[in-house]
Amino acid sequence: DQQVKQNSPSLSVQEGRISILNCDYTNSMFDYFLWYKKYPAEGPTFLISISSIKDKNEDGRFTVFLNKSAKHLSLHIVPSQPGDSAVYFCAASAGGTSYGKLTFGQGTILTVHP
Amino acid sequence: NAGVMQNPRHLVRRRGQEARLRCSPMKGHSHVYWYRQLPEEGLKFMVYLQKENIIDESGMPKERFSAEFPKEGPSILRIQQVVRGDSAAYFCASSPGANTGELFFGEGSRLTVL
Repeated sequence: DQQVKQNSPSLSVQEGRISILNCDYTNSMFDYFLWYKKYPAEGPTFLISISSIKDKNEDGRFTVFLNKSAKHLSLHIVPSQPGDSAVYFCAASAGGTSYGKLTFGQGTILTVHP
Repeated sequence: NAGVMQNPRHLVRRRGQEARLRCSPMKGHSHVYWYRQLPEEGLKFMVYLQKENIIDESGMPKERFSAEFPKEGPSILRIQQVVRGDSAAYFCASSPGANTGELFFGEGSRLTVL
């Protein structure tokens, strides 16, 4: 039962363009969403998060959009840089006693070409 | 300020042996999470611990797996009588409190069962 899905296994983008990574979820109890970035042989690194009371959160080149009615969120990276090439994981939490109990998607491999 | 430290980074075991994975959280963090990543999949929650207490072990397999976070020393994930299906990357993460999904991950311990 995949409660968080990233349907695109990979995405290729030219440097300077926008990267859009998508994520869908099925569990209505999720109220907190995050994006993590992972390089090979390293642990995931927190990137940006959004609470269900918001529909947009921005941090520098990174913006996360949340559409609760569609149970969909997306991460926009503008402009994309070669150093952004990594695996991006969408994650969700139902809060409660622990926001750290995360349900992750399968990941999307982003490649940014110079 | 050292990050989350995991050891060993790589561990090879034969079927039926025991595997012990260690995790020292970031300084000042008393909340520890263990996640497992199987090949080609996202990270899956296993267990959430605070000092001397298991808070949520809903993601732990019912048999052979156990975790602890003693008053002194690192958190330990123990896998008894390993099988080939236990081969995976095991990530530990820590946070300063329960009300955040912004976890700090270690680099992971990669277990290979021959």
